[in-house]
This record gives sequence, structure tokens and C-alpha cells, in this order.
Amino acid sequence: DAGVIQSPRHEVTEMGQEVTLRCKPISGHNSLFWYRQTMMRGLELLIYFNNNVPIDDSGMPEDRFSAKMPNASFSTLKIQPSEPRDSAVYFCASSLGTWGTGELFFGEGSRLTVL
Amino acid sequence: AQKITQTQPGMFVQEKEAVTLDCTYDTSDPSYGLFWYKQPSSGEMIFLIYQGSYDQQNATEGRYSLNFQKARKSANLVISASQLGDSAMYFCAMREGPGANNLFFGTGTRLTVIP
Repeated sequence: DAGVIQSPRHEVTEMGQEVTLRCKPISGHNSLFWYRQTMMRGLELLIYFNNNVPIDDSGMPEDRFSAKMPNASFSTLKIQPSEPRDSAVYFCASSLGTWGTGELFFGEGSRLTVL
Repeated sequence: AQKITQTQPGMFVQEKEAVTLDCTYDTSDPSYGLFWYKQPSSGEMIFLIYQGSYDQQNATEGRYSLNFQKARKSANLVISASQLGDSAMYFCAMREGPGANNLFFGTGTRLTVIP
């Protein structure tokens, strides 16, 4: 079975450019999460969706960040304009969204470097 | 206040020995779940084990067991018979409240298994 699929795996861009990260959750999962991982701040939840609806976006750093989930099988995280401090690994995760052992399944991450 | 605290930035263990990775949590909600994830150098996040706040027995999954001490609010991970492949970052995480989907992660512990 396919896991959570993220693209691109690596992205190097220049400050000011737009960056779009993509995620395909596991089929049948109804919750999707975007996390950011840095050495300084560890794993931070940016936003999560339940049934394609954003539930909590309080972790989104600022207006430069936006996330969408147009359907159950696709989500994007966009940064516009990008800045060097956005350099991090961005993880997408999905779960069945049920209470209990509904663990999150993570993608392999997208490593973003902003020069 | 931090919801999840991992006080050991790094740990070393001899191959075939057991090791305990510490995790304490903070919540006032009686319903919560505790998770451990492994992140090897390749970067992916791998789910290891889950403990529910109402579970009477400590969770076990193969060589992994969770030493759950509710009164102390601790959820330590015990890895028995360490293997070289266990060298990785280990993250403790918590989901609090019924119906909540997002996980709060600790800062992680880097485990190194010595041959």
C-alpha cells in the first residue's frame, strides 16, 4: 500500500520566490497535517485538516504561508515570498482521525532550502 | 508550558543492552494518548508504540515497551536488546482530549547504539 507521498523531496530556491509543497495522503484517511521540523524548534504543527476542512491553522507562521486541501487526496503548502528562515524539512502526515490508536503516518518530508 | 518534555538530548547504549528514553507530559485532560516515533538518519518518521490514558497495562510492541506512570505523568520508552539499527532520533508525542487529532511532539532524544 502506498504511504503518504510528498513532493518535491528537495527544493532549493532563492529568497522571494514562491514555493509549493505537495502531499497525497493515504487513501481513506480523513485527517491531514503539515509539520515543520528545524533544529531550533523541533517539530511544529503548522495546520491540520479534517475532511478537507482546515481545523487549526494557529501554527502557520504568518501570511506568507497558506495551505489548501481541495479534495481528499491532495494538499498543498505554499510559501510566498520565501525567506531563508523558512529553510526546514516540511512533513505531511495523515491519519484516520479516530480517537485512540489513530497514529499519524508521515511522508518522507520535503527539505526546503531558501538562499 | 511544554506539553511534552524529553530531557535527554543524547543517549548511548551498548548493543544487546536495554535502554530507557524518558518522556514526561503535561495535560489536565483525563483523555489523552501518548506516542513514540523513531526518526532514522534518512529522515522519515516511523510510528513505534501507543499508550492510551485509560489503558490499564503498559503497551508493548516487540522490543519496544512503554513504561506508563500516570501519577508521575511519564511515558518512558524502553528498548530491549538494542541493535545497531536502533540508532536514531526518538520523539515522544501526545494527543490530548477526545476528538483531537493533532500530536504535540517533544524535542527528541538521539540514541546511539555502540557495537
